[in-house]
This record gives sequence, structure tokens and C-alpha cells, in this order.
Amino acid sequence: GIQVEQSPPDLILQEGANSTLRCNFSDSVNNLQWFHQNPWGQLINLFYIPSGTKQNGRLSATTVATERYSLLYISSSQTTDSGVYFCAVDGNTDKLIFGTGTRLQVFP
Amino acid sequence: ETGVTQSPTHLIKTRGQQVTLRCSSQSGHNTVSWYQQALGQGPQFIFQYYREEENGRGNFPPRFSGLQFPNYSSELNVNALELDDSALYLCASSLVNEQFFGPGTRLTVL
Repeated sequence: GIQVEQSPPDLILQEGANSTLRCNFSDSVNNLQWFHQNPWGQLINLFYIPSGTKQNGRLSATTVATERYSLLYISSSQTTDSGVYFCAVDGNTDKLIFGTGTRLQVFP
Repeated sequence: ETGVTQSPTHLIKTRGQQVTLRCSSQSGHNTVSWYQQALGQGPQFIFQYYREEENGRGNFPPRFSGLQFPNYSSELNVNALELDDSALYLCASSLVNEQFFGPGTRLTVL
């Protein structure tokens, strides 16, 4: 099956800093989603981005499907950005395969 | 538009018991998927239901079973609970590809 690797596993930032999270996947996909999991466990949809670039406020994402990676950019980070960020992919099996996540902590 | 809802939010059971978790899909979504998330790990796919039929299953034993109803809501049933079944159970609904998750049910097996 498809393997999904995320880096870095942990990230500690001061408020206002920028960061880049990476997701590598081992095969072609027809779905790629980025999620933010809050401390209560809710997975919040950030981007549905099997290819191309999207932006939503301080967040943006780019997926280069031919090179099998996706990047999530967080600019001007805030303490509310803290949590775990997951990348998940679907290789036309209708099931999402999740990476191990990046744990982000933003301090004031 | 109502999002994905799950009940109950928390549940404590003892080993050997049976449990039923419930999920209501987002309005207009006909596909429901269930995931198990152990502490410190990413969610793992259990199975998916599309128009009341199972449409794919992950690496989980038969004591994990499910149902989907005509209104697209769904149940996850787990028989003969084991300590390792303690986890956050997440339900997701979708219409095409993008999946939207509910808040989860946290199950503790003692």
C-alpha cells in the first residue's frame, strides 16, 4: 500500500514565525488532504489538494503530484495554530492513509 | 448545513463487552468511513459504507462490523472488546473524494 511520511515530527515556534511542513507519498494519488487536529481530537479540514497550489488566509499548500510530495506553509504563526497536522492520501481505494503527523507548538 | 456528528462523545467499557458507536453524515453525503486513532498515532481506516453496502475494509478483525442506514447515518459495532480497542473512533462522510470528519468517540476499555 501507499506509504506516507511527514516531516518534521515535531516543531516548536515562537508566535509570528513561519513554517513549512512536508508530506511525501510513495505512489500516485487521486486525493490528498491536510488536516489540523485540535486538542479535543477534532480533525479540521485545511486543504483538499491532490495537485496544484491553494491559499486560505495565513495557510497555503502545494502538491507536486509528479514528484509525490506536498507542502503546507503556515505564516505568522499564532498560539491557536498549535496541534497536530496530518497529511492523508487516497490512491483510488476510497480510504485515506494518514501520515504520522507533525506536532506543532507555538509559544507567545 | 449540518456537519458530521457522532455519539456518544466518551464511553467506558470492560473487556469482553460489546459497543455501538453512531455517526450522522453531513447533509447530502452518501459515503461514511470509520477510522481508529490510537494515542500518538494517525487514524487507521476500518471500513467504508456507500449506499448501505460495505465498500472497502482495512486490516481489522470481523468483530468490527458496521451498518449504514437509508438516511446515510452509520453505526460501528465492536464485539468482545479488548484493551487495545481503547482509542478515538472517527467517522468521516464524503460525496466525491474530500472527507469531512466528526468530533469522534473516545472509547476506553478497562
